[in-house]
Amino acid sequence: EAGVTQFPSHSVIEKGQTVTLRCDPISGHDNLYWYRRVMGKEIKFLLHFVKESKQDESGMPNNRFLAERTGGTYSTLKVQPAELEDSGVYFCASSQHPGTSGREQFFGPGTRLTVL
Amino acid sequence: AQSVTQPDIHITVSEGASLELRCNYSYGATPYLFWYVQSPGQGLQLLLKYFSGDTLVQGIKGFEAEFKRSQSSFNLRKPSVHWSDAAEYFCAVSGNFGNEKLTFGTGTRLTIIP
Repeated sequence: EAGVTQFPSHSVIEKGQTVTLRCDPISGHDNLYWYRRVMGKEIKFLLHFVKESKQDESGMPNNRFLAERTGGTYSTLKVQPAELEDSGVYFCASSQHPGTSGREQFFGPGTRLTVL
Repeated sequence: AQSVTQPDIHITVSEGASLELRCNYSYGATPYLFWYVQSPGQGLQLLLKYFSGDTLVQGIKGFEAEFKRSQSSFNLRKPSVHWSDAAEYFCAVSGNFGNEKLTFGTGTRLTIIP
C-alpha cells in the first residue's frame, strides 16, 4: 500500500511568487490534514479536510494560503504571493475516519519551501 | 486550548543506555496521545499511541510510553538505545470527535554516541 506522497520535495522561490504544493493521501482515507513546521518551532496544524469539505481551517495563517481538495482525493496548498516567513516544511497527513481505530494520521515526507 | 511541552530540546545518550523523553500535555478532556519520530530525510512515523485502557503502551522499535493522568505526562522510554534511534521525537495530543487535529510539542532531538 502506497503511503502519503507529497510533491515537490523541495521548492525554492522568490518573495512574491506563487507556489503550489500537492499531497496524495493514502487511498480510501477521507481525512486529509496539512501541517507546517517553521524552522526551530513546533509542527503546527493548518487545516483538515473530510473528503472534499474543509472541516477545520483554523490554522491557516492568512488569505495568501488556499487549500483545495477537489473530488476528495489529492489536495493542493497554494501560497500566493509567498513571503519570507512562509519558509518551512509543509507536511500532509491522512487518516481513515475519526473513530478511535482510524485516528492514526499517516504523514508524508514533507515539502521544504524556501522563500528568498 | 490544548498544548504539549517537551522540555528537552536535545538529549545525548550512549548506545546501549536507557532513554526517557519527557512530554507534558494540557487538555481539558480525555486526551489522545501520540509519539512520532522523524529520521533525517524521512516523514513522521508513529511510534505509539494512547487512547484508553492500559496506561503503559507498547510501540514499535522497542519503545514504550506511560500515560499518567495525575501528572499530565506521557513520557517515552526505551531500555537500550541503538545508533539507529538517532532522530527527532515529537509528542502530540488530539481531542475527541471533531477535534482530531494534532497539537505537537517542539520536539526532542536525540543524539547517540558510540
